[in-house]
Amino acid sequence: NAGVMQNPRHLVRRRGQEARLRCSPMKGHSHVYWYRQLPEEGLKFMVYLQKENIIDESGMPKERFSAEFPKEGPSILRIQQVVRGDSAAYFCASSPNQGDSPLHFGNGTRLTVT
Amino acid sequence: SQQGEEDPQALSIQEGENATMNCSYKTSINNLQWYRQNSGRGLVHLILIRSNEREKHSGRLRVTLDTSKKSSSLLITASRAADTASYFCATDDGGNNRLAFGKGNQVVVIP
Repeated sequence: NAGVMQNPRHLVRRRGQEARLRCSPMKGHSHVYWYRQLPEEGLKFMVYLQKENIIDESGMPKERFSAEFPKEGPSILRIQQVVRGDSAAYFCASSPNQGDSPLHFGNGTRLTVT
Repeated sequence: SQQGEEDPQALSIQEGENATMNCSYKTSINNLQWYRQNSGRGLVHLILIRSNEREKHSGRLRVTLDTSKKSSSLLITASRAADTASYFCATDDGGNNRLAFGKGNQVVVIP
């Protein structure tokens, strides 16, 4: 049973370009969470999605960031017109339900904006 | 949402010794969780303790929760070199897994 799969592992973008980060949750998990980790910091919640629905996006910047979890395929975190401050590790996690069940994390995508 | 804060920030111990980390938070919680992160990897869930629980064990791990002091501790007994990692506490105030993480506690176990 594969764990949470994220790709790419490393992504380099120039300022102004778009970054697309993908996440496939564990089999049987329909709840997906995106977190961002800056160097030497803990993870910061960004968004919580279920299939075809955004449940909580209170941690998402108001502009340039969007997320989706379509009926088929992986969840996508999209960052438009990237800036240097977007450089971070972006982690996806999944869980089988909304309750207090542990999150299963992927190995993250490390975005570097040059 | 509140922020978990671990203390101490960095810990270096000899293999076989015990390692203790503390975490404090600011508001009411539904549960508190501890995660481990190896360098360059994702987080691995270690243990979850609910707000109505005071202590929990899992293998060599022991977690306590004091809701009156809004604090938790993680004890790793008989540490091993493989325990070298960063350890994060995270609080869930709504039971929906929107977790608030602390900055982490780096533990180095010297063989």
